[in-house]
Amino acid sequence: AQTVTQSQPEMSVQEAETVTLSCTYDTSESDYYLFWYKQPPSRQMILVIRQEAYKQQNATENRFSVNFQKAAKSFSLKISDSQLGDAAMYFCAYRSTYSGAGSYQLTFGKGTKLSVIP
Amino acid sequence: KAGVTQTPRYLIKTRGQQVTLSCSPISGHRSVSWYQQTPGQGLQFLFEYFSETQRNKGNFPGRFSGRQFSNSRSEMNVSTLELGDSALYLCATKDRTGELFFGEGSRLTVL
Repeated sequence: AQTVTQSQPEMSVQEAETVTLSCTYDTSESDYYLFWYKQPPSRQMILVIRQEAYKQQNATENRFSVNFQKAAKSFSLKISDSQLGDAAMYFCAYRSTYSGAGSYQLTFGKGTKLSVIP
Repeated sequence: KAGVTQTPRYLIKTRGQQVTLSCSPISGHRSVSWYQQTPGQGLQFLFEYFSETQRNKGNFPGRFSGRQFSNSRSEMNVSTLELGDSALYLCATKDRTGELFFGEGSRLTVL
């Protein structure tokens, strides 16, 4: 079974600065997907960024980018020019491409609570 | 386009009761997944439905069940509630690109 570990329960960043959230995972599979989701307080979870394991190039979405190290099984999220609206819980998630019957099951880490200091 | 709608948003039950939660997907989305979110265990996969068929089930006891209707709306049921069932229950639907869209969740408190 796959596991996802986020070792930083809480982090804080000054507004306009850069912060990196860590995520490691354990799998014996060679092809899979990795995700970062954002869950603001009392609001719905939204996808921040997605990475396919077969792609060596790191995914980027505006101020959000990842550092994907497949051999090290590491998938960190970098947030540049942090904004107050970035304050939220961030979850790293794994999806196998070999889920049975086309299932789309995600395995989540425990999350990192990010605070943004004005 | 309306998002994923979950009802009720909040509910309080007592031990031994049963509860039914509802999820209405985004129009055109046929896959519905359910997750349980607790402070201790984090987000855990419950089950996934597609075209009224359960495609996958997480490691939860048989007290947790679900179903999907022909209009893709889904319900999950928890019978004989226990204190540990207190959680935020999230529903997610998937579009054709594979992106998941989550609802705001149903927060269940068991007393």
